[in-house]
Amino acid sequence: AAGVIQSPRHLIKEKRETATLKCYPIPRHDTVYWYQQGPGQDPQFLISFYEKMQSDKGSIPDRFSAQQFSDYHSELNMSSLELGDSALYFCASSPDSYNEQFFGPGTRLTVL
Amino acid sequence: AQKITQTQPGMFVQEKEAVTLDCTYDTSDQSYGLFWYKQPSSGEMIFLIYQGSYDEQNATEGRYSLNFQKARKSANLVISASQLGDSAMYFCAMREMDSSYKLIFGSGTRLLVRP
Repeated sequence: AAGVIQSPRHLIKEKRETATLKCYPIPRHDTVYWYQQGPGQDPQFLISFYEKMQSDKGSIPDRFSAQQFSDYHSELNMSSLELGDSALYFCASSPDSYNEQFFGPGTRLTVL
Repeated sequence: AQKITQTQPGMFVQEKEAVTLDCTYDTSDQSYGLFWYKQPSSGEMIFLIYQGSYDEQNATEGRYSLNFQKARKSANLVISASQLGDSAMYFCAMREMDSSYKLIFGSGTRLLVRP
């Protein structure tokens, strides 16, 4: 069965650089969520999209932005990277908001 | 505000024995969903089991079962016949019934299965 695809799987950036993380949801899933998991922490909700519209926003810095495209894939753009942005970034998709969320393998971002 | 509490930072269990991972939650919503995810050292988040607040029976999925006690606001995960591959971090999560149904996670329990 198809799963959520995230790319890249690993990313190393310098401070003040930008990064773009991509998420390809499971086919026919119209809801996408982004979560950030810092070292030794639980995942924290960043932002979500339903039918290409932003549906909710969590503790996402203003330096971050995201969107969902017509093919339902989503991108998380991160600018002016800081050391504290080093984390595992998960994308999850759901066939509708009410069902379970299926997580991708995550993108591990390291900011040096 | 909704909150998930996992009071066991780490646990040991002997292979082939059963283990219970605790989870309590706090919400004023009547309708909510509770999830358990497994996170191995490789990092991926693996969905294990789901319990809806209106489900009358406890959820079961293979060796996983959820001991749902609504009055106590607890949703403990029971793993039967533990295997070495069960060693991982386990997160309890609640789905918020707001505009997006995002998940709120507990702090997790690290389970180590001893041979």
